[in-house]
Amino acid sequence: GESVGLHLPTLSVQEGDNSIINCAYSNSASDYFIWYKQESGKGPQFIIDIRSNMDKRQGQRVTVLLNKTVKHLSLQIAATQPGDSAVYFCAENDIAGGTSYGKLTFGQGTILTVHP
Amino acid sequence: SQTIHQWPATLVQPVGSPLSLECTVEGTSNPNLYWYRQAAGRGLQLLFYSVGIGQISSEVPQNLSASRPQDRQFILSSKKLLLSDSGFYLCAWSVSRLGPSRGGYTFGSGTRLTVV
Repeated sequence: GESVGLHLPTLSVQEGDNSIINCAYSNSASDYFIWYKQESGKGPQFIIDIRSNMDKRQGQRVTVLLNKTVKHLSLQIAATQPGDSAVYFCAENDIAGGTSYGKLTFGQGTILTVHP
Repeated sequence: SQTIHQWPATLVQPVGSPLSLECTVEGTSNPNLYWYRQAAGRGLQLLFYSVGIGQISSEVPQNLSASRPQDRQFILSSKKLLLSDSGFYLCAWSVSRLGPSRGGYTFGSGTRLTVV
């Protein structure tokens, strides 16, 4: 759910390492998930999405893993670069339910810092 | 292609002054529209969403209001700003039903509001 009042957790990695950002969701009816990247002073940008009938989806240098049993989502970034430094948000939606009017529920967010 | 415009980019306003932030979307019809606020180092808080002209839903009680006078125009307003209204305001749009072929939200570039 939305924890807008909390300070965001942080993850620091060295350039070239792999990064794993985690997200727990609470709505067991959620069947569509998105990861967003927000650079400083900008709006969030879509990175990758996954439907609940999948447990893994790969993009360019990014992989999203979904574990519906424990309601856990993760974003893996391979060979992390300084340009990957940003805040990463997960988001969920119940598209099969059809009653949420397309409203995404955003997770807390994680600050990723990549050191050269 | 669809684009979203949000202005102004930054705004400094005195306490008690009015506010009007505007957001417009191009290249799509009947979008869902959203206003979010983000405090520094915090998550995304949904303020308002709209599924059609004149249809506004408020997520949290506050000093702000929203209006949708046209299909692709969403306005965030206040009659008298409070210090606590400072933050980063984001407008977003989506299609009415989200999903893997339709994506999630597309965010604007944001407005940094400082109330002094």
